[in-house]
Amino acid sequence: GAGVSQSPRYKVAKRGQDVALRCDPISGHVSLFWYQQALGQGPEFLTYFQNEAQLDKSGLPSDRFFAERPEGSVSTLKIQRTQQEDSAVYLCASSLGSRGGNTIYFGEGSWLTVV
Amino acid sequence: EDKVVQSPLSLVVHEGDTVTLNCSYEVTNFRSLLWYKQEKKAPTFLFMLTSSGIEKKSGRLSSILDKKELFSILNITATQTGDSAIYLCAVTNTGTASKLTFGTGTRLQVTL
Repeated sequence: GAGVSQSPRYKVAKRGQDVALRCDPISGHVSLFWYQQALGQGPEFLTYFQNEAQLDKSGLPSDRFFAERPEGSVSTLKIQRTQQEDSAVYLCASSLGSRGGNTIYFGEGSWLTVV
Repeated sequence: EDKVVQSPLSLVVHEGDTVTLNCSYEVTNFRSLLWYKQEKKAPTFLFMLTSSGIEKKSGRLSSILDKKELFSILNITATQTGDSAIYLCAVTNTGTASKLTFGTGTRLQVTL
């Protein structure tokens, strides 16, 4: 596609509910990242995929957070038993290569509010 | 742990003013520093800097990196209301490919 596409754009979840956020990266991009951006903060790294392999998940805040990219293209970030502190914008990003130095393109984010 | 500090946190200027945004960093095995502009949507890429002293320029925006003093500046000349946004600075290291560590951003408001 022309850019990184994320859905849903906005999600309101009741505390305890499970949510799934989808990311469709730019076609052919090898690297895919998920970031969490709380209000008034910069984005914080959650996890990184190179094709279908999840090479770094050090930023996932708890075992309630799970991400997958089974075919090396679309990725899903799943949050189980949501809590209020999970409220944030979840940004997906992709880049063409697997080495540093490639431009990273961001999607518009999925705005999650947990009530 | 890599760290990025941006200043000022927020800034209000009049249209036509010139602004300088600051970014200092601490990175183990530095690879690059990037600037992004974020309005109410996706952060959009502005510059990537890897070498000291080489200015990158795009229209009214320019940026330079000082790897000795571990900082970068982003200059915007002749500001316009459309420049109002959050400007994010991020760094990468030679470890995990392209993983970005961001600062909290500088919120710029340009008024008429």
